Amino acid sequence: AQSVSQHNHHVILSEAASLELGCNYSYGGTVNLFWYVQYPGQHLQLLLKYFSGDPLVKGIKGFEAEFIKSKFSFNLRKPSVQWSDTAEYFCAVNDRPGNTPLVFGKGTRLSVIA
Amino acid sequence: NAGVTQTPKFQVLKTGQSMTLQCAQDMNHNSMYWYRQDPGMGLRLIYYSASEGTTDKGEVPNGYNVSRLNKREFSLRLESAAPSQTSVYFCASSYLSGANVLTFGAGSRLTVL
Repeated sequence: AQSVSQHNHHVILSEAASLELGCNYSYGGTVNLFWYVQYPGQHLQLLLKYFSGDPLVKGIKGFEAEFIKSKFSFNLRKPSVQWSDTAEYFCAVNDRPGNTPLVFGKGTRLSVIA
Repeated sequence: NAGVTQTPKFQVLKTGQSMTLQCAQDMNHNSMYWYRQDPGMGLRLIYYSASEGTTDKGEVPNGYNVSRLNKREFSLRLESAAPSQTSVYFCASSYLSGANVLTFGAGSRLTVL
């Protein structure tokens, strides 16, 4: 079964620092890839997604992610973080064809300090 | 639009008690899911329903049952609650299984004493 690894459990950054959160999935083949974000006290919401095409995907709030098929990776980046980016970030993947349910990573907690 | 609505938001149970978490969506989605979220474990799929009339086990189905009552509603039942089922439960829905974006409910925090 597909699995997702997020390398960082907790990341602490100062405002304006650059962010990169790692995500690797286990199986090759054709996949759909997602990043979800959970702000404190809120439910999960979609940050960005990749189905096909340009491997560099742009999402909301200045986030982007790059799909590197050879590395089974889908890392999330933001050039300059803000205090409001403090949240937990989840990478998720599912296999195509078959449209299996999403498998989530364990999450990375990001704390942005002033 | 309400999106995905879960009830109750909070519940405290004693070991051995039963309860049902309710979930309803108003987006005409075909697929519905129940996940649990535990610290350091991320979200793990309990059960899902790819379409009305079907249900399938996810990664952690033991101790749970589900009912897809109709296209809108998908309930999760704990027949005999255990402390290991203390968690935050999220219901989600999508237009199609897998490929489409999930819309999540606000979550239900369950504590089993």
